[in-house]
Amino acid sequence: GAVVSQHPSRVICKSGTSVKIECRSLDFQATTMFWYRQFPKQSLMLMATSNEGSKATYEQGVEKDKFLINHASLTLSTLTVTSAHPEDSSFYICSADITGVGTEAFFGQGTRLTVV
Amino acid sequence: DAKTTQPPSMDCAEGRAANLPCNHSTISGNEYVYWYRQIHSQGPQYIIHGLKNNETNEMASLIITEDRKSSTLILPHATLRDTAVYYCIVRGRDDKIIFGKGTRLHILP
Repeated sequence: GAVVSQHPSRVICKSGTSVKIECRSLDFQATTMFWYRQFPKQSLMLMATSNEGSKATYEQGVEKDKFLINHASLTLSTLTVTSAHPEDSSFYICSADITGVGTEAFFGQGTRLTVV
Repeated sequence: DAKTTQPPSMDCAEGRAANLPCNHSTISGNEYVYWYRQIHSQGPQYIIHGLKNNETNEMASLIITEDRKSSTLILPHATLRDTAVYYCIVRGRDDKIIFGKGTRLHILP
């Protein structure tokens, strides 16, 4: 299947700093990517839909000024957690739809963020 | 909200077939049934998807009832590496992917 790469896989940052997570589709173009957050022993919660060349669409309750999403190319979306706090510590996962197909999404391996 | 209902957990003996049920009684005509699984601390892995016909690939089989209100994922010969949380998802083309709570499958040696 298609490959989606996330970087970094783990990051520890200090409270108040910002962290950027990258999501790349390696062998296909992805007009649409999705960002999720997962807390321990819980399911994945959709945060936002990232659209190439346009603004992201955020789910209710997700602060768009805190979780900045940029989708500048058909193979790269980034999520920046701004002014991180310990409660932002979580597992962040991206997924990407194959452009023109829209019926099959592939997921990155996830990024474990720890804010200290 | 997720459009699917799954049992929270299931056990299966190693080497036997694992049959994971999913109810999706409100599925629309243009929505597909997808199955993903998530092994601890990894991203979800795509398994299989279907619209109305049964499907089979190298990993699993998907059986969809004629009225499309439920489906079953079959892992034909379960191994310890199949221990994971399995998610059944209903999704239309270009729609968001909404996860429910999934089924935690335990493979017993």
